Amino acid sequence: GAGVSQSPSNKVTEKGKDVELRCDPISGHTALYWYRQSLGQGLEFLIYFQGNSAPDKSGLPSDRFSAERTGGSVSTLTIQRTQQEDSAVYLCASSRSTTLFNSPLHFGNGTRLTVT
Amino acid sequence: AQSVTQPDIHITVSEGASLELRCNYSYGATPYLFWYVQSPGQGLQLLLKYFSGDTLVQGIKGFEAEFKRSQSSFNLRKPSVHWSDAAEYFCAVGAYNAGNMLTFGGGTRLMVKP
Repeated sequence: GAGVSQSPSNKVTEKGKDVELRCDPISGHTALYWYRQSLGQGLEFLIYFQGNSAPDKSGLPSDRFSAERTGGSVSTLTIQRTQQEDSAVYLCASSRSTTLFNSPLHFGNGTRLTVT
Repeated sequence: AQSVTQPDIHITVSEGASLELRCNYSYGATPYLFWYVQSPGQGLQLLLKYFSGDTLVQGIKGFEAEFKRSQSSFNLRKPSVHWSDAAEYFCAVGAYNAGNMLTFGGGTRLMVKP
């Protein structure tokens, strides 16, 4: 079946502009995660959605970052007033189970964001 | 809070040689440990995971990893590396009381010499 789909695959934007990144999880997966991978860095947790529960936003680096998940499926990560330090690959992952350890994370290929 | 350290940023091995990638974690209880691989232009793929039981776990693509509680380590090994193994490898730790969130290490980039 189809995997996690992210769009766009690449995005170049000017400093100060807003961007929206989209994630289509695997059908039936209740958990959805956003991570950020900066050049030469590991993956930094941003936000976690589980079903209809309130999301865990503890990883969002500033109030310029927000995310929503409509209908328990598609998620959009929005970055307002982008800064050069926001340049990174934004990865989305989903999993089937409410318990991470019963169901591995499936990652998308990411959106490479470049802020000029 | 849990943390993961991968001491080696880059490693180069010859094709056919053995491989060991190091991973050290910090967590107060028994962790749940994972290794992921990220090939160029592709998403992360799960290689193997450890929850409990046998401390030597087998994964895909001929990889294995050993959990050593006394050393807080979960090193990844492969007896004979293939050129297609060139990729970036990430160790991750998770904990039930951490909201099902994985904490990743900084990654180790593996290069394979012919």
